[in-house]
Amino acid sequence: QVRLQESGPGLVKPSETLSLTCTVSGASISSFYWNWIRQPAGKGLEWIGRIYTSGNTNYNPSLKSRVSMSVDTSKNQFFLNLRSVTAADTAVYYCARAYVSGSYDYFDYWGQGTLVTVSS
Amino acid sequence: DIQMAQSPSSLSASVGDRVTITCRASQSVSSYLSWYQHKPGRAPKLLIYSASSLQSEVPSRFSGSGSGTDFTLTVSSLHPEDFATYYCQQSYSTPYTFGQGTKLEIK
Repeated sequence: QVRLQESGPGLVKPSETLSLTCTVSGASISSFYWNWIRQPAGKGLEWIGRIYTSGNTNYNPSLKSRVSMSVDTSKNQFFLNLRSVTAADTAVYYCARAYVSGSYDYFDYWGQGTLVTVSS
Repeated sequence: DIQMAQSPSSLSASVGDRVTITCRASQSVSSYLSWYQHKPGRAPKLLIYSASSLQSEVPSRFSGSGSGTDFTLTVSSLHPEDFATYYCQQSYSTPYTFGQGTKLEIK
């Protein structure tokens, strides 16, 4: 069974960097797109971006200037960094695997999410 | 960005009811449309991909239809465990976008 688990600080100060890790178990991290998605309280889901195991990335333009993602295949982990955070970045952050079938891709496995609060 | 609009935003129904949730895209997404079920504190669960394909181990009471801009998710007969929030999501182009969610509550 594939499992994803987010980890990282639950509290980040304004203007600092939010850093999260997603650890994948039950399957190799190789040859998939790995995604970060967030949900502010009372709001909808927002796709932050994705990274392929080769290191290729796609980011949401709304966050592109502040986001970076990386992957460590030896540890079966991938990472999110979001710089210069504000209160608007307070959200539950999810990691998810995108399964590609032909030209279709969809999020077939998700982590349970981790709440990150931006506050001084 | 492609905007996804779901309706209704909330829905009250009873066990055994048939319910339908609608998702409309601001431009054609062909069949690049997925549906997810989300319960508080849990990982979202993929139900439907490619607009109408049932994900493995998802009960057959769930079905999806549509293409282009208009899509529906139908639950043919609600079970108690089906009360949750449902989201549509397009993967036609990045940035991928979600509907705002439909909260399905027990009447």
